[in-house]
Amino acid sequence: DQQVKQNSPSLSVQEGRISILNCDYTNSMFDYFLWYKKYPAEGPTFLISISSIKDKNEDGRFTVFLNKSAKHLSLHIVPSQPGDSAVYFCAASASGGNTPLVFGKGTRLSVIA
Amino acid sequence: KAGVTQTPRYLIKTRGQQVTLSCSPISGHRSVSWYQQTPGQGLQFLFEYFSETQRNKGNFPGRFSGRQFSNSRSEMNVSTLELGDSALYLCASSLDTGGNTEAFFGQGTRLTVV
Repeated sequence: DQQVKQNSPSLSVQEGRISILNCDYTNSMFDYFLWYKKYPAEGPTFLISISSIKDKNEDGRFTVFLNKSAKHLSLHIVPSQPGDSAVYFCAASASGGNTPLVFGKGTRLSVIA
Repeated sequence: KAGVTQTPRYLIKTRGQQVTLSCSPISGHRSVSWYQQTPGQGLQFLFEYFSETQRNKGNFPGRFSGRQFSNSRSEMNVSTLELGDSALYLCASSLDTGGNTEAFFGQGTRLTVV
């Protein structure tokens, strides 16, 4: 049973345009959400996070939006750059139960120059 | 501040053998988690250790085991290797277990079983 779903395995975007990566979750106990970026042959690196008490968190070109009622979050990258080409993983955790991070399967973003 | 260090980076083993992977967390981090990454499957949670105790375990067979030492370093062991165990094994450390805390990953150990 997949608790965190990233339904788009891949996404291609033109350089300078907006990239929108989506993530859905099923566990209503999740209250902290993170996005990680992964290049080939490297471990994932933390990008941005959001707590369930917020509906938006922004860090430079990256903004994460959380819609709790829809159990949906999205990562917006604007403007997209070729260096953003990587696999992006959505992850979620529940603060109350000492549960580990649960990851989605990832979305491969390709930013075309 | 040194990051998460995993050794070795690459490993080739034969079916039926066993393997031990090592992870040194960021200094001061007491939680270490292990994940398996295979193509198309994302990061599958293996287990999590906190202060030398296993706090969580994923849905993997008993051939997969781990431990954590008093200095927070962790090892995972896979016995009786199968071809399907070929994967990138990632270790992540964090200050605490669960909750609103980021996990920091090592570069991983690429295990190939032949």
